[in-house]
Amino acid sequence: NAGVTQTPKFRILKIGQSMTLQCTQDMNHNYMYWYRQDPGMGLKLIYYSVGAGITDKGEVPNGYNVSRSTTEDFPLRLELAAPSQTSVYFCASSYVLMQGSTDTQYFGPGTRLTVL
Amino acid sequence: GENVEQHPSTLSVQEGDSAVIKCTYSDSASNYFPWYKQELGKRPQLIIDIRSNVGEKKDQRIAVTLNKTAKHFSLHITETQPEDSAVYFCAASILGDSSYKLIFGSGTRLLVRP
Repeated sequence: NAGVTQTPKFRILKIGQSMTLQCTQDMNHNYMYWYRQDPGMGLKLIYYSVGAGITDKGEVPNGYNVSRSTTEDFPLRLELAAPSQTSVYFCASSYVLMQGSTDTQYFGPGTRLTVL
Repeated sequence: GENVEQHPSTLSVQEGDSAVIKCTYSDSASNYFPWYKQELGKRPQLIIDIRSNVGEKKDQRIAVTLNKTAKHFSLHITETQPEDSAVYFCAASILGDSSYKLIFGSGTRLLVRP
């Protein structure tokens, strides 16, 4: 299993540009998440998905959009990039039983984004 | 809202000494508490976790304790080695609107001096 993979590894955007960060997992996990990590800081949840076709906002959703058309893929879209979106973006996935027992989250390698 | 507080923010120990990192959570319904280690430029990786039906769990030099009454949980690293130097994050599960999330602490930067 490749686990959670993310592309690209690095990207530089100009203010106002748009891009999509890709995330794929091959562990058949139902839950997927997007976090951002600013330099020297913790992880902040942007969006998450409990299954294909279902997404919900996290702590810091403004300026981002997501979709989940398949179990495996959970792309994150940045529209009109701003310098405040300069960060490292991590995708994660986990398996959550409907009875309420969650398993650990496995993280992808991250995408380092700079907006100039 | 729900939050997880983590202390200390930085910790420096001599090689061979023990290190303890503490977290407090606010949601009494939290039932899963993982600890992640993040080396510089790398992804967070799970090192140990504990569920609410267990008070303590140990894996070689690493142990985690949970006090549900006080809503505290702690990471203990014994016989520290330079390769233990990293940022450590605690997290607590949050149940909201029939979905599960993890709320992360702000991290502890551990430095093990040779």
